[in-house]
Amino acid sequence: AQTVTQSQPEMSVQEAETVTLSCTYDTSESNYYLFWYKQPPSRQMILVIRQEAYKQQNATENRFSVNFQKAAKSFSLKISDSQLGDTAMYFCAFLRDKIIFGKGTRLHILP
Amino acid sequence: DTAVSQTPKYLVTQMGNDKSIKCEQNLGHDTMYWYKQDSKKFLKIMFSYNNKELIINETVPNRFSPKSPDKAHLNLHINSLELGDSAVYFCASSQDRLADIYNEQFFGPGTRLTVL
Repeated sequence: AQTVTQSQPEMSVQEAETVTLSCTYDTSESNYYLFWYKQPPSRQMILVIRQEAYKQQNATENRFSVNFQKAAKSFSLKISDSQLGDTAMYFCAFLRDKIIFGKGTRLHILP
Repeated sequence: DTAVSQTPKYLVTQMGNDKSIKCEQNLGHDTMYWYKQDSKKFLKIMFSYNNKELIINETVPNRFSPKSPDKAHLNLHINSLELGDSAVYFCASSQDRLADIYNEQFFGPGTRLTVL
């Protein structure tokens, strides 16, 4: 069975700093997809970034980028120039036949 | 326009009652989902329907019964509510059920259920 682990329950960084959220997963599959979702205090789940396992190139979306290490089964999210609006819970997710979420990292951006 | 909507947003009820949460999507998607997010924020899939057909049914109590009258609606009915059912329930939809990178799931705003 696939599992997703986020080892950082909570993090705080100063505004404008760069922060990296870690995620590891376990699977025997070779083709799958990985996502990072953001859940701000409003509770709405928002897709931040996605990565195809067969692509070696790391996905990037504006200030958000990932470091995908397939052999290590690692999928970290880097947020550059962090903003107050980035304060949220961040969930790493694995998708094969169904989506499995990690337990989340609560990120605080401090003014 | 709201893509995935849920009603109600908040639901407070007594233990033992039966309640329903409604979900509607106007995206023309074929697949809909129900997720439960517990007090520790852990998000887990419960059910998935594709064109009104149940395709994912995780280990949840029989008291939970999804109903899909058409592919735009997926309601969740809960019988004999228990304290442990208190959580936020999210509905979501996606274009189809294939495990596709572009098969993005769109989430509703969630329904916070509190069982007293």
